[in-house]
Amino acid sequence: NAGVTQTPKFRVLKTGQSMTLLCAQDMNHEYMYWYRQDPGMGLRLIHYSVGEGTTAKGEVPDGYNVSRLKKQNFLLGLESAAPSQTSVYFCASSGGRYSNQPQHFGDGTRLSIL
Amino acid sequence: GQQLNQSPQSMFIQEGEDVSMNCTSSSIFNTWLWYKQDPGEGPVLLIALYKAGELTSNGRLTAQFGITRKDSFLNISASIPSDVGIYFCGGTGTASKLTFGTGTRLQVTL
Repeated sequence: NAGVTQTPKFRVLKTGQSMTLLCAQDMNHEYMYWYRQDPGMGLRLIHYSVGEGTTAKGEVPDGYNVSRLKKQNFLLGLESAAPSQTSVYFCASSGGRYSNQPQHFGDGTRLSIL
Repeated sequence: GQQLNQSPQSMFIQEGEDVSMNCTSSSIFNTWLWYKQDPGEGPVLLIALYKAGELTSNGRLTAQFGITRKDSFLNISASIPSDVGIYFCGGTGTASKLTFGTGTRLQVTL
């Protein structure tokens, strides 16, 4: 049971570099989400998608872009990484309406920006 | 925006003790979710609550959706070492947007 798979698991970048985080889910879920988790701040929503080809901004979208070209994949891009983006990034998916379908999470990507 | 206050921030308990944590919201919520996060892993759903007053159990875990729809609690009975982790509450309100609490870190000593 793969569920939600995130790659890579760890990455160290230099300020100004770009990278893409990949999230893949095999549960045929319509909704997918990207969160960041920082100490003492819980999970904060970056961007989300309600279906293939759609994306929307969450609580903290600045500095990030996303794409949902295929239903099973949701990509998070950092065009020019900054130290403030050092965090643990979690992808999640859910099967139905945003409000009443629990989200299933991947194991996270630990990103350090030097 | 919707705000969730989760307490306590951390707990140190002995094995066998019962644990209680809660979340309160500044506005009415329609759904309450409780997740557990182990070190190095993503949050895993423990219990989902969909109706005011609902009381749901999952093994030694019990959670309730408050009657006012502004709070929820999670109880763990007879704690064991593998209960160690961070517990997050989450809820959705009228905006249908999931908001998470800041977590309760649970440590269990033998």
